[in-house]
Amino acid sequence: GAGVSQSPSNKVTEKGKDVELRCDPISGHTALYWYRQSLGQGLEFLIYFQGNSAPDKSGLPSDRFSAERTGGSVSTLTIQRTQQEDSAVYLCASSPYLGEQFFGPGTRLTVL
Amino acid sequence: AQSVTQLGSHVSVSEGALVLLRCNYSSSVPPYLFWYVQYPNQGLQLLLKYTSAATLVKGINGFEAEFKKSETSFHLTKPSAHMSDAAEYFCAVSEKGGSEKLVFGKGMKLTVNP
Repeated sequence: GAGVSQSPSNKVTEKGKDVELRCDPISGHTALYWYRQSLGQGLEFLIYFQGNSAPDKSGLPSDRFSAERTGGSVSTLTIQRTQQEDSAVYLCASSPYLGEQFFGPGTRLTVL
Repeated sequence: AQSVTQLGSHVSVSEGALVLLRCNYSSSVPPYLFWYVQYPNQGLQLLLKYTSAATLVKGINGFEAEFKKSETSFHLTKPSAHMSDAAEYFCAVSEKGGSEKLVFGKGMKLTVNP
């Protein structure tokens, strides 16, 4: 079956612009996660959605970052007023309830 | 708070040699431990996971890992390296069975020499 998909695969933007990154989880998976992978910081948790519960936003690095999950499926990670330190690969994962996480291929964000 | 330590960033082995990737964890609750592999320009793939059942866990592609509580370790091994094992390997810890956030180590890049 189809895995987790993310779009775009690459995004180049200018400092100060807003960007939206999309994640399509595996159908039926109740949980969805966003992580960030950068050279300096490794793999960092950003935010986690589980069913209809309030999301765990404890990993978001600043209030410029936000995410939503519509209809319990697709998720969008939005970064406002991008900074050069936001350059990274943004990974999305989904899991069934109490199950393992399946990762997408990531979106590589470059902020010039 | 949970944390994972993977000492070093690169390891190089010869094809056919033993692969040993070290992972030490810190957790205030019984941990769930994972090893993921990342091939170039791809997402993470689960190799194996420890969820408090058997301490020796077998995974895909001939990898296995042993949970040692006394040493707070979860080292990954493979008896004989193959060229296709060249990738980056991440150890991760979670408070639950992977169904909440994972805390990752810095990763270890494995090179396999012919």
